Amino acid sequence: NAGVMQNPRHLVRRRGQEARLRCSPMKGHSHVYWYRQLPEEGLKFMVYLQKENIIDESGMPKERFSAEFPKEGPSILRIQQVVRGDSAAYFCASSPPSRGFYEQYFGPGTRLTVT
Amino acid sequence: KNQVEQSPQSLIILEGKNCTLQCNYTVSPFSNLRWYKQDTGRGPVSLTIMTFSENTKSNGRYTATLDADTKQSSLHITASQLSDSASYICVVSLTGANNLFFGTGTRLTVIP
Repeated sequence: NAGVMQNPRHLVRRRGQEARLRCSPMKGHSHVYWYRQLPEEGLKFMVYLQKENIIDESGMPKERFSAEFPKEGPSILRIQQVVRGDSAAYFCASSPPSRGFYEQYFGPGTRLTVT
Repeated sequence: KNQVEQSPQSLIILEGKNCTLQCNYTVSPFSNLRWYKQDTGRGPVSLTIMTFSENTKSNGRYTATLDADTKQSSLHITASQLSDSASYICVVSLTGANNLFFGTGTRLTVIP
């Protein structure tokens, strides 16, 4: 059973370009979470999605950022018109559908560098 | 304000020695507390999860304790190995919420 997969692992974009980060959850997991880790800081929650639904996007900037988790295919975190401050590691985690507290399994992250 | 603070920020110990990492949190209402290990360039990996009713939980050489009254947790590593070199992150979740609150981690370096 493959773990959470993210690609690309490293992404370089110029200011103003778009960045697309992909996350394939573990098999059988229908919940996906995106986190951002700025240098020297802890991970910060961005968004929580289930298949075809955004459940909680309270941690995601209102502008330029969007996320989706379609019925088929990976979850996508999209950043439009990137700025230098978007440079960070973006981690995706997934969990199985269950009540109560749940384990989140993290992917290896995508390191975005904006030049 | 929901916060998770960890100490020390960094720690260097000799291989074979024990160490204890600290976590204080102000997250409320509290649901559970997790310790993760994050190797450089990798995603976090769960070590332990504890609910408010649990005082201690072990995973091999890792033992986590929780005092829900004082809102403190510790992670004790016994007989450290070079492979223990990593960041150890304390993570707290709210009751009924989906997001996790992460500490900034303790960077542990084990030297031979």
